[in-house]
Amino acid sequence: QLQLQESGPGLVQPSETLSLPCTVSGGSISSGNHYWGWIRQPPGKGLEWIGSIHYTGNTYYNPSLESRVAMSVDTSKNQFSLKLTSVTAADTAVYYCARLGIGGWELDYWGQGALVTVSS
Amino acid sequence: DIQMTQSPSTLSASVGDSVTILCRSNHNISNYLNWYQQKPGKAPQLLIYAVFRLQSGVPSTFSGSGSGTVFTLTISNLQPEDFATYYCQQTYSNPLTFGGGTKVEIK
Repeated sequence: QLQLQESGPGLVQPSETLSLPCTVSGGSISSGNHYWGWIRQPPGKGLEWIGSIHYTGNTYYNPSLESRVAMSVDTSKNQFSLKLTSVTAADTAVYYCARLGIGGWELDYWGQGALVTVSS
Repeated sequence: DIQMTQSPSTLSASVGDSVTILCRSNHNISNYLNWYQQKPGKAPQLLIYAVFRLQSGVPSTFSGSGSGTVFTLTISNLQPEDFATYYCQQTYSNPLTFGGGTKVEIK
């Protein structure tokens, strides 16, 4: 059974960089031609798409965040990562990683989510 | 960006009821429409993809329909575990966007 797990600091200082890895187990990140994505959810609010990455390094970012977002893949660790620079309180959210299905990019496997709070 | 609009935002129903949630897009998204269920404190889970295809393990009391710009999720014979928030999502074009959510609560 495929499992995804986000990890990282729960608290980030304003103007600094948020870094979150997502470790995949039960399957290889470089098999099946899947994209791997990031979604966030501010407390009490809806879901926002951040972007996705293929193991080859090809990426799609949400234009609203593109100037501050970078995603990467480390196939040796079976892991993909999110970096979000110059964070503000508006970036406080639960960050989810997920796998995109091949056919229609549905999000068929999700991590449990990691709450990241931006505060001094 | 393609905008996804769900209605209602909140829905009150009883166990055993059937309910329908509407999702509209402001652009033709063909059949690139998915539905997710989210319970408090948990990650969303895929229910339906490509408009009507049930994800493995999802009971047949869930069904989806629609095409183009108007889509529905129907839950028949509501069970206690079905009270949750539901989101539609288009995967026709980037950025992939979600509806605002519909909370199904116990009447």
